[in-house]
Amino acid sequence: QKEVEQNSGPLSVPEGAIASLNCTYSDRGSQSFFWYRQYSGKSPELIMFIYSNGDKEDGRFTAQLNKASQYVSLLIRDSQPSDSATYLCAVSNQAGTALIFGKGTTLSVSS
Amino acid sequence: EAQVTQNPRYLITVTGKKLTVTCSQNMNHEYMSWYRQDPGLGLRQIYYSMNVEVTDKGDVPEGYKVSRKEKRNFPLILESPSPNQTSLYFCASSSGRGDTQYFGPGTRLTVL
Repeated sequence: QKEVEQNSGPLSVPEGAIASLNCTYSDRGSQSFFWYRQYSGKSPELIMFIYSNGDKEDGRFTAQLNKASQYVSLLIRDSQPSDSATYLCAVSNQAGTALIFGKGTTLSVSS
Repeated sequence: EAQVTQNPRYLITVTGKKLTVTCSQNMNHEYMSWYRQDPGLGLRQIYYSMNVEVTDKGDVPEGYKVSRKEKRNFPLILESPSPNQTSLYFCASSSGRGDTQYFGPGTRLTVL
């Protein structure tokens, strides 16, 4: 069974700090990697996607991918209380027909 | 507005009473999928469809049926719901294999 592992948290950071979220995956054939944000009872909302090794930046968010280590991370700079949510790491299966989700990391940003 | 819609948003039913949850997308996406989300288990795929009349099982298909007669619609059918199908259900769509999946608002189903 292909797996995606995340620390469940909660991860608590003060407002303005950097939040670092990590994820490992088991399927070496995976080609697409995603970070979604989910507020309680709501649907997952795409934050970032990354396909190639290295860093990808979008505003306050940076995704990092290391396929050799099977590791994906998300950095949130200048964290805001509105960033408080559960962050889901998702990895496409080798066929591209499904997303395999981690169980999510709960982030709490205190003002 | 590009979106995935689901209906109903909330449903309480009884064991054995057939129900259908509808899903529709207006982005002309070829790929559509159903997931269920349960505490401690995360999001798991039920069924997916790569195009009209092309569907296949995901990780947890037991007790569910789907159909894809039109590109925009992908209904989820529970012919004889049981309490273990109480869950939060999400429909998603994307333009193709491995592409970003966009999620509907969710349907919270309770089977008594």
